[in-house]
Amino acid sequence: AQSVTQLGSHVSVSEGALVLLRCNYSSSVPPYLFWYVQYPNQGLQLLLKYTTGATLVKGINGFEAEFKKSETSFHLTKPSAHMSDAAEYFCAVSEHTGFQKLVFGTGTRLLVSP
Amino acid sequence: SQTIHQWPATLVQPVGSPLSLECTVEGTSNPNLYWYRQAAGRGLQLLFYSVGIGQISSEVPQNLSASRPQDRQFILSSKKLLLSDSGFYLCAWTDAPGELFFGEGSRLTVL
Repeated sequence: AQSVTQLGSHVSVSEGALVLLRCNYSSSVPPYLFWYVQYPNQGLQLLLKYTTGATLVKGINGFEAEFKKSETSFHLTKPSAHMSDAAEYFCAVSEHTGFQKLVFGTGTRLLVSP
Repeated sequence: SQTIHQWPATLVQPVGSPLSLECTVEGTSNPNLYWYRQAAGRGLQLLFYSVGIGQISSEVPQNLSASRPQDRQFILSSKKLLLSDSGFYLCAWTDAPGELFFGEGSRLTVL
């Protein structure tokens, strides 16, 4: 069975600082990996995804993530945090084949201070 | 373009009352449809998914049920709500590998 672990339920950064949100996954088959963002009382929006090919994936709003198979990780980064980045971020994994069911992590709330 | 609608956005119900949350998708055909629940501090839990009309798969045993009476309509129901049913319910659809498109969610509070 697949699973996702997000380290840190809350991460605090200052505006302009590096954002690093950690995600480790477990999968017995090659995974698809995703990062979603959720603003208060809203649904989730896709930030970026890894399926195959280049392991460094760029997404919206200046975010990127790198798939590292040897470390079973897919950490999300942004060089410079903006106040508008404050939200909850979810890492998710699904299998390449068969019906697509995403398994989500428990989420990391990003707090950005001025 | 495709859009997804969920309603009601907010619901406060007494224990033991019935529930019906509705989700409709526009602009696509034969989507895979999902119901997720988000409880505080517990991430998103997949409740049900559907690959077609009348085809429902349940991920977690509970007092909730789902139905898909039309291609682009997905309904989450309960005959008698429990306190533990409180949460934020999200409908989603996909027609591409893995990427889900979510509705705005329905917040249910059971008192």
